[in-house]
Amino acid sequence: EAGVTQFPSHSVIEKGQTVTLRCDPISGHDNLYWYRRVMGKEIKFLLHFVKESKQDESGMPNNRFLAERTGGTYSTLKVQPAELEDSGVYFCASSQVGTGVEAFFGQGTRLTVV
Amino acid sequence: RKEVEQDPGPFNVPEGATVAFNCTYSNSASQSFFWYRQDCRKEPKLLMSVYSSGNEDGRFTAQLNRASQYISLLIRDSKLSDSATYLCVSHSGAGSYQLTFGKGTKLSVIP
Repeated sequence: EAGVTQFPSHSVIEKGQTVTLRCDPISGHDNLYWYRRVMGKEIKFLLHFVKESKQDESGMPNNRFLAERTGGTYSTLKVQPAELEDSGVYFCASSQVGTGVEAFFGQGTRLTVV
Repeated sequence: RKEVEQDPGPFNVPEGATVAFNCTYSNSASQSFFWYRQDCRKEPKLLMSVYSSGNEDGRFTAQLNRASQYISLLIRDSKLSDSATYLCVSHSGAGSYQLTFGKGTKLSVIP
């Protein structure tokens, strides 16, 4: 069974540009999460989808970040315009409804804003 | 104060040794806890879940002390393949699915 997949694995963009990250959760997992790790810090929660609905977006840093999950399958996280402090590793995770929060993580997208 | 605190290490131990990591949490309402393992530039992978006082899986034992608000992970008979960063994670429950991560403890098992 395929795990959580993320695309791209790396992205280098200039300050002010737009970047869109994609996450494909494990098939059948209704819960989808985005997390982020900036250099030297711990992994931090960004938001949680249940199917196509945003359940909790309390971790989103500001309105330059927009997450979508149309159709309740894959999700995108767009950063527009990107700032230097947005650099980090963005992880997507998914879990089944009913198994609580035992989440499976993707390999992450390493974003560098220059 | 960080919600989840861990000694960053590194812990350098010889093969076959027993090593223990501690983790403290500040949110007394936290319901469940996890240990994730993360290899360099890889994704975190769930190692163990800790819902009650503890859990054991082969060479790995996790213990939870709610009174003192700490969780431990014990690794017996360390293998070279155990070298990784171990992340302590809490979940507050209360209708939220957010996981709160510590910064991790780095373990290097030496031949």
